[in-house]
Amino acid sequence: DAGVTQSPTHLIKTRGQQVTLRCSPISGHKSVSWYQQVLGQGPQFIFQYYEKEERGRGNFPDRFSARQFPNYSSELNVNALLLGDSALYLCASSLVVYSNQPQHFGDGTRLSIL
Amino acid sequence: GESVGLHLPTLSVQEGDNSIINCAYSNSASDYFIWYKQESGKGPQFIIDIRSNMDKRQGQRVTVLLNKTVKHLSLQIAATQPGDSAVYFCAEKDSGAGSYQLTFGKGTKLSVIP
Repeated sequence: DAGVTQSPTHLIKTRGQQVTLRCSPISGHKSVSWYQQVLGQGPQFIFQYYEKEERGRGNFPDRFSARQFPNYSSELNVNALLLGDSALYLCASSLVVYSNQPQHFGDGTRLSIL
Repeated sequence: GESVGLHLPTLSVQEGDNSIINCAYSNSASDYFIWYKQESGKGPQFIIDIRSNMDKRQGQRVTVLLNKTVKHLSLQIAATQPGDSAVYFCAEKDSGAGSYQLTFGKGTKLSVIP
């Protein structure tokens, strides 16, 4: 079975631009979460979506937004990019939203801001 | 790919020995804990999990111990192999967060000496 898939794998943007990252969860998983991982640190929670609704949001500015589609795939959008947005963006999926089951991660999108 | 292990605590272990990776967590409301393994250029890979009503759980070659009194989690890897070399993160889920948000620890880089 396919795991969590993310696209693109790498992306280079300049300051002020906008970016859209995409994620397809594991088949049957209805919850998708987004994390930002800066080099040398652990992932930091950005958003969780379940049944197309935002269920949780981390401490990130409004420049970050996301949505989930009827097929449970998701997009993360970041506007007005800053140098500090350079990071690995990870998507994770889980079966449901409130159960104690592991989240499974994709290999991420490496975003570099010049 | 870029290393996720820059400036992280490092544990060097001889091949065949047992490894113990420790993690301190701060939120007494956390009810679920996960250990992830992250290799360079990849996303976190689920290893083992434990719920807060347990103090020990075993998997294949891995054991997780939970001490809620001192808010401490450990991962034991038996007969460590070169393929175990990676960065290991513990993650906790807050039972009262209203959503599935994982908070990750700082990570430990495990290096296996052949």
